[in-house]
Amino acid sequence: GQQLNQSPQSMFIQEGEDVSMNCTSSSIFNTWLWYKQDPGEGPVLLIALYKAGELTSNGRLTAQFGITRKDSFLNISASIPSDVGIYFCAGLGGNQFYFGTGTSLTVIP
Amino acid sequence: SAVISQKPSRDICQRGTSLTIQCQVDSQVTMMFWYRQQPGQSLTLIATANQGSEATYESGFVIDKFPISRPNLTFSTLTVSNMSPEDSSIYLCSVAGDREYGYTFGSGTRLTVV
Repeated sequence: GQQLNQSPQSMFIQEGEDVSMNCTSSSIFNTWLWYKQDPGEGPVLLIALYKAGELTSNGRLTAQFGITRKDSFLNISASIPSDVGIYFCAGLGGNQFYFGTGTSLTVIP
Repeated sequence: SAVISQKPSRDICQRGTSLTIQCQVDSQVTMMFWYRQQPGQSLTLIATANQGSEATYESGFVIDKFPISRPNLTFSTLTVSNMSPEDSSIYLCSVAGDREYGYTFGSGTRLTVV
């Protein structure tokens, strides 16, 4: 199945720093989602985007639906230790979501 | 959003045996999905399970290996049959929520085949 290219693959940052990650596809999507997965848990939805150009925030998280509809970005401001985890993007193509390869985030106190 | 209970949360199984994973949702949903997440990898859709019809399998996944049941609108099972070490993964069920909540996932079943 289709897989989205997500970068960076991993990040090691200091607490308080801002984080940016992105997701690109060769296909157009009508919906983009961003999930966070903690160890031993299933992914939890962070932000959903439904329109090209849309910018949506959830607390310290901000995500954007790219104008071309082939990409999306997630920013985390003022990172804290509990932001540690793996972040996945997902794009809706046809009747199913396709997931990105994941970004592993480590926050150093 | 829907609340999903998935069990078992983890299991260690002998090769050649089968394991059935259960997924219970607290509300009626039309579509349920089963994913596999291999170690350090992203999520791959195994199949879509609709109540009252055969599951639809993605390329690379077959019913004989991953039989699925969907007896009602709140429950589904996935069986991993004749397991080998290559089947060691996290298996996740998911449901399609409303527009605002997208897909909701269960907490996953971590399977180790020895």
